[in-house]
Amino acid sequence: QQQVKQSPQSLIVQKGGISIINCAYENTAFDYFPWYQQFPGKGPALLIAIRPDVSEKKEGRFTISFNKSAKQFSLHIMDSQPGDSATYFCAASMRGTDKLIFGTGTRLQVFP
Amino acid sequence: DADVTQTPRNRITKTGKRIMLECSQTKGHDRMYWYRQDPGLGLRLIYYSFDVKDINKGEISDGYSVSRQAQAKFSLSLESAIPNQTALYFCATSDVLAGQHSRNTQYFGPGTRLTVL
Repeated sequence: QQQVKQSPQSLIVQKGGISIINCAYENTAFDYFPWYQQFPGKGPALLIAIRPDVSEKKEGRFTISFNKSAKQFSLHIMDSQPGDSATYFCAASMRGTDKLIFGTGTRLQVFP
Repeated sequence: DADVTQTPRNRITKTGKRIMLECSQTKGHDRMYWYRQDPGLGLRLIYYSFDVKDINKGEISDGYSVSRQAQAKFSLSLESAIPNQTALYFCATSDVLAGQHSRNTQYFGPGTRLTVL
């Protein structure tokens, strides 16, 4: 049972374009939603995270949009660069725990 | 990644063999985790430990066991490896929660690629 559903599985974007990755969840007890970025041969690393009390969080070219009523959140990468080519995982956790439930991942390729 | 190390980085073994994957960290974190990564399935939690005396099963613990030898060391064992345990395995660490509403980043090691023939 996949508690956090992520799409698409893969994404190809041209340099300078916008990359959008979507996630949906069912458990309303989730209250923390991080995104992790993984480069080939490396472990995942925290990219950006959001709590459900805000609808958007922006850090540089990376933005999380959060829709609490729809139980959906998405990662937007503006002005996508070849160096952004990686696998991206959304995740969720519940209050009082560091345990993360991960989505299935999206492999992003940005072509020059 | 240098703060969390995993050995070996690659391992090929045969069905039925006992395998141990090791994880060490210099971050001083109390909490440690073992995940496996499979294409199309993402990262799934195998076991986690919130301190040396605390071991908990994750969502896919069958066929695995762990040992927390010290704050800095957390090992994952496959007692009798089978081909469907072929995967990329990651160790991660995080600090103790600062409060009920806090969240701590998980720091991942570089991974161990395990192939069971």
